Amino acid sequence: GESVGLHLPTLSVQEGDNSIINCAYSNSASDYFIWYKQESGKGPQFIIDIRSNMDKRQGQRVTVLLNKTVKHLSLQIAATQPGDSAVYFCAENIQAGTALIFGKGTTLSVSS
Amino acid sequence: DAGITQSPRYKITETGRQVTLMCHQTWSHSYMFWYRQDLGHGLRLIYYSAAADITDKGEVPDGYVVSRSKTENFPLTLESATRSQTSVYFCASSGTGDRVVGELFFGEGSRLTVL
Repeated sequence: GESVGLHLPTLSVQEGDNSIINCAYSNSASDYFIWYKQESGKGPQFIIDIRSNMDKRQGQRVTVLLNKTVKHLSLQIAATQPGDSAVYFCAENIQAGTALIFGKGTTLSVSS
Repeated sequence: DAGITQSPRYKITETGRQVTLMCHQTWSHSYMFWYRQDLGHGLRLIYYSAAADITDKGEVPDGYVVSRSKTENFPLTLESATRSQTSVYFCASSGTGDRVVGELFFGEGSRLTVL
């Protein structure tokens, strides 16, 4: 089955709200995680990554939180904008020498 | 700057025909990947390559063949296309050195329809 999954397939928010997109992973040996954003008709684009020796990492308007105890990953988007509307994927690296494994994605819809 | 390009962007073919999707990157990245994206399945890894002449299977390799004779190219061939291979195919590359992690740079995708 899927090693990486997202709790909700869709998320609808109002412009200006903060968005939280969740992801659960099952392999405790995973040590690297990435969030990607995919706009309609385009390839996924890197947002932010985090290694397992960290709990939190911040970027521009985005924060990734990693809770290794419950094997949970989240992406927080501050002051969500209509341009943030996209599908968001988390991905994990299960072991050295293997490729990233992606979750199924959460569709974020931002209404103004 | 071209980055990573895929061709064709759209392709319609018939069951049983051979189809090749091309992928070209200009960064001299060591790693290249092929994923397929289907509704409800997200992105699933088909094959990847760590360097020229080195390829490895991913989650869903059956029915696909890859080659990597040059660092910059990573073609994906469907030897005998089936309807279940109707999908959007994404090529990606990564410059990471000693392990297959790091930021992947994706192409724009190739939408394949098998009738």
